[in-house]
Amino acid sequence: QKEVEQDPGPLSVPEGAIVSLNCTYSNSAFQYFMWYRQYSRKGPELLMYTYSSGNKEDGRFTAQVDKSSKYISLFIRDSQPSDSATYLCAMSSDSNYQLIWGAGTKLIIKP
Amino acid sequence: DTEVTQTPKHLVMGMTNKKSLKCEQHMGHRAMYWYKQKAKKPPELMFVYSYEKLSINESVPSRFSPECPNSSLLNLHLHALQPEDSALYLCASSQSRGPPTGELFFGEGSRLTVL
Repeated sequence: QKEVEQDPGPLSVPEGAIVSLNCTYSNSAFQYFMWYRQYSRKGPELLMYTYSSGNKEDGRFTAQVDKSSKYISLFIRDSQPSDSATYLCAMSSDSNYQLIWGAGTKLIIKP
Repeated sequence: DTEVTQTPKHLVMGMTNKKSLKCEQHMGHRAMYWYKQKAKKPPELMFVYSYEKLSINESVPSRFSPECPNSSLLNLHLHALQPEDSALYLCASSQSRGPPTGELFFGEGSRLTVL
């Protein structure tokens, strides 16, 4: 079993829809949770960074962490075609700073 | 525009060539990283430099050789590569080695093809 599980998709939704992207993990020591967006042939770009449990909002993006369920989510409201990209979750712990990555979910927003 | 600059953007080399990838960051970060990314896979950590000291070597083959001339520059020297080394090579930097300021900022990558 991988430490971090993420459905690779693709996930295809119409423009304006609310998108939900998720990762599950097995290591209860993870405390730091990140979402990166990667456009084709570009480097990953940090979208959201969350410590421990709770929600964090930034514009149309909301990150949620549920440590009791070992489950993290990224919500995108009013999705736009420019949101089409691969979204990667990543996480780390205090004892091992190395990021553990999900496989990435390819998201397609149809105009 | 990213503040982590990688050159060249594309590189094609033969298995007997020697080449280098270069990375520069202008954010005053003290940790820099090399990652390798194959198509439809997440990035794989190759090397970490923290305060100009190599702190992790993930058993990467010796045909990859990192160099950190100063806190802003990071090079990856390539020699006698194999076709399976073809990938996107990503440089990243972070304010510090670990949380809470360990968020990574990536460059756009150098796409390497080994013939």
